[in-house]
Amino acid sequence: AQSVTQLDSQVPVFEEAPVELRCNYSSSVSVYLFWYVQYPNQGLQLLLKYLSGSTLVKGINGFEAEFNKSQTSFHLRKPSVHISDTAEYFCAVSETGGSEKLVFGKGTKLTVNP
Amino acid sequence: DVKVTQSSRYLVKRTGEKVFLECVQDMDHENMFWYRQDPGLGLRLIYFSYDVKMKEKGDIPEGYSVSREKKERFSLILESASTNQTSMYLCASQTGLSYEQYFGPGTRLTVT
Repeated sequence: AQSVTQLDSQVPVFEEAPVELRCNYSSSVSVYLFWYVQYPNQGLQLLLKYLSGSTLVKGINGFEAEFNKSQTSFHLRKPSVHISDTAEYFCAVSETGGSEKLVFGKGTKLTVNP
Repeated sequence: DVKVTQSSRYLVKRTGEKVFLECVQDMDHENMFWYRQDPGLGLRLIYFSYDVKMKEKGDIPEGYSVSREKKERFSLILESASTNQTSMYLCASQTGLSYEQYFGPGTRLTVT
């Protein structure tokens, strides 16, 4: 069975600073990986996904993530954050060729301060 | 754009009431899911459905049931609401060809 660990529950940063949100996963088979964002009082929205191919994945709003199979990680990065990036971010994993269910991490709350 | 709608954004019910949460998607997706979201616990899967009239238990099905009579609609039922079911409930849909899930805006349920 898969599991996802988001190493930081809260990350405060200043506007225009870079940010990295960390995600590690555990699985005995190949996986697909996702990052979702949840703005206050809204549902989840897909930021980016890794299914195959290049390990560097670019998503919406200037975010990118790198799949590192040897370290079983899928960290999310942005070189310069805005106040509007304040939200909760969820990493999720699914087994390739298996059930389409997603297993989610517990989330990282990103707060961007002026 | 895929649209997933949920019948209520906010709902207040009393202990013991039967509660229905409705979810509708407009993209002919095969798979639909119900999650609950609690602070510090992330999203936990309650039930999912791969097709009409088909359902499978997720990680926390106790106290819940579901119904899928039409492909576009997936209902979550709390037979007898309890205070520990106060939570945010999120519905999602997913085509069988892709692993990406599309989420509704959520229903914040309070049971008093």
